[in-house]
Amino acid sequence: GNSVTQMEGPVTLSEEAFLTINCTYTATGYPSLFWYVQYPGEGLQLLLKATKADDKGSNKGFEATYRKETTSFHLEKGSVQVSDSAVYFCALIVTQGGSEKLVFGKGMKLTVNP
Amino acid sequence: GAVVSQHPSRVICKSGTSVKIECRSLDFQATTMFWYRQFPKKSLMLMATSNEGSKATYEQGVEKDKFLINHASLTLSTLTVTSAHPEDSSFYICSARPDRVNYGYTFGSGTRLTVV
Repeated sequence: GNSVTQMEGPVTLSEEAFLTINCTYTATGYPSLFWYVQYPGEGLQLLLKATKADDKGSNKGFEATYRKETTSFHLEKGSVQVSDSAVYFCALIVTQGGSEKLVFGKGMKLTVNP
Repeated sequence: GAVVSQHPSRVICKSGTSVKIECRSLDFQATTMFWYRQFPKKSLMLMATSNEGSKATYEQGVEKDKFLINHASLTLSTLTVTSAHPEDSSFYICSARPDRVNYGYTFGSGTRLTVV
């Protein structure tokens, strides 16, 4: 079936540390891949996306590359800030029965300390 | 563009009562909207897909009679939690995507439901 597996954490980092959140997927065909971020008490916001192999999504210093050969879409940031504290979700879009759905990983809570 | 407004942001209700949550697409039309439930420390669970002008499609294990979904217009979907119980307390989030190619999903800010 279609699924997303990601690091669950929680993870605590110091400001300016390097961040990697692993995400791998299982899907038929070539899904579009996404990273969403959820700040405390809020809904989800799209952080970045990639729609085909070797595409690199980037936003707010975060990057992720669509790797077909390893079915991965790892999220990275070179220097995290306190304001990056949030829950991060990896997701893909699947089409089932003619309808489209987002499939999420379990989310990873990141806390960045000053 | 592509803003989804969800209301209320927080609601507390007594056991046995019903609560309605609204999800509106403010600047686009959405034939389809989605309702998710988020449990503490867990991911988002898709509850149902709301289809304008027709019945919602529920995911396996979601009680249709408890979680009533109505998508009466291209900009509004509602989720009504009927005869609420404390175990229904959760964070509910709606999502929609403009009916335009290559446009991503937009999420509402969520509703924290507490049943006492």
